[in-house]
Formats: sequence, structure tokens, C-alpha cells
Amino acid sequence: DQQVKQNSPSLSVQEGRISILNCDYTNSMFDYFLWYKKYPAEGPTFLISISSIKDKNEDGRFTVFLNKSAKHLSLHIVPSQPGDSAVYFCAASAIGNQFYFGTGTSLTVIP
Amino acid sequence: DAGITQSPRHKVTETGTPVTLRCHQTENHRYMYWYRQDPGHGLRLIHYSYGVKDTDKGEVSDGYSVSRSKTEDFLLTLESATSSQTSVYFCAITMGPLEGNEQFFGPGTRLTVL
Repeated sequence: DQQVKQNSPSLSVQEGRISILNCDYTNSMFDYFLWYKKYPAEGPTFLISISSIKDKNEDGRFTVFLNKSAKHLSLHIVPSQPGDSAVYFCAASAIGNQFYFGTGTSLTVIP
Repeated sequence: DAGITQSPRHKVTETGTPVTLRCHQTENHRYMYWYRQDPGHGLRLIHYSYGVKDTDKGEVSDGYSVSRSKTEDFLLTLESATSSQTSVYFCAITMGPLEGNEQFFGPGTRLTVL
């Protein structure tokens, strides 16, 4: 049973516009969330994280929003750039336990 | 670059043969993990280690065993490979399992079991 879900397998966005990637989770014990970016033939690389005590975390063009009541988090990329084209995974964990990953969303930024 | 290497990077093998994948780190991180990535499933944890000779099972551990005799090396063994174990395998490291310790991933091993 998938505890972390990314319901959009793919997303296309024009360069310069905002990209919004969504992630839902089912386990209310999750309290730490991360986003990873993955290029083909490479391992995932850490992008940004958020703790359950916050509802927003920002790092440059990347912002993660957490809605605990809805068990939903989202990653905003603004402005989107062609180099952002990759697969994005969200992951969640309860402190001290393993991470559970979503199935990924493939983002294409069109120049 | 988190100093993680995986070997081999690609392997094709036949059903029933044993296979060992190696993960090597130069960071002296305590925690090491093995994941598999499959379409429609994302990354799933197979086994992890929290120190030399200390290992535990993950979400999809059946058919896999691991060993960690040195801090820097974490081996994943498929005792008798099956076609369902065709996948891309990633090793990851972290200082610890707690908040703030994001995992760093290796480049992956693509395994095909015929």
C-alpha cells in the first residue's frame, strides 16, 4: 500500500512559469518530508525538506508547502528553467524510521 | 559529490544465479541503505545498516540479504536472482535517521535478470 502518492506522472511547463508538483501521504505519523530530483542514469539528489512544525520552507527558486490537515505537500519552482527538467520524488518519514518515497513526477520545462 | 560509488553499474544475469552489488562510501557515514526503483513504485527500501554488522529489513526485503563488515562497504546479495528482481538499485548514506539528515544517493546499478 503506497503511503506516499504522486498522482501526476508527468507535468509540462513553459520556461519562466511556475511548476507545481504535488504529493499526498496517508500516514499521520510522518513528520519530515523531502523532495529529490533525479536525472536519467543518475541517483536522486536532495532538493529541499520541511519539518511538520513548519508549513513552508523556501530555498531560492524552490518552495515546499505542507498542509498537515490535508496530508498534502507541494513543491513550487519559480521561475522554471529547462535545467529543471527531471523526475521529482517526494519522500516522508517519521523520525527514526525509514523514508517512504512517492512514484515520481516527470517535469518537462519547455524553452 | 557525496563520495558514494556502486559496482557494477550494469549487470545482466540469468535466473537462479547469485548476484552481489557493492556500495562504497568515503564519507564515514554510519547509516547506509539499499533501495530499488521500479516504474509505478518509486524507490522502495530493501535493507539498511546503522553500523558495522548492524542491519535491518526494509519494505521489500524478501529475496535479498546484506552484509556490512566495514563502515565503508555495504553489500546487497540476491542469493538466487529472479526476473522480478530486475530493477535499478540505489545505495544511499546519511549521518543518521533523524530529521535534518537527508540521504545522499549513489549513481545506481541497473540489474537485468533473464
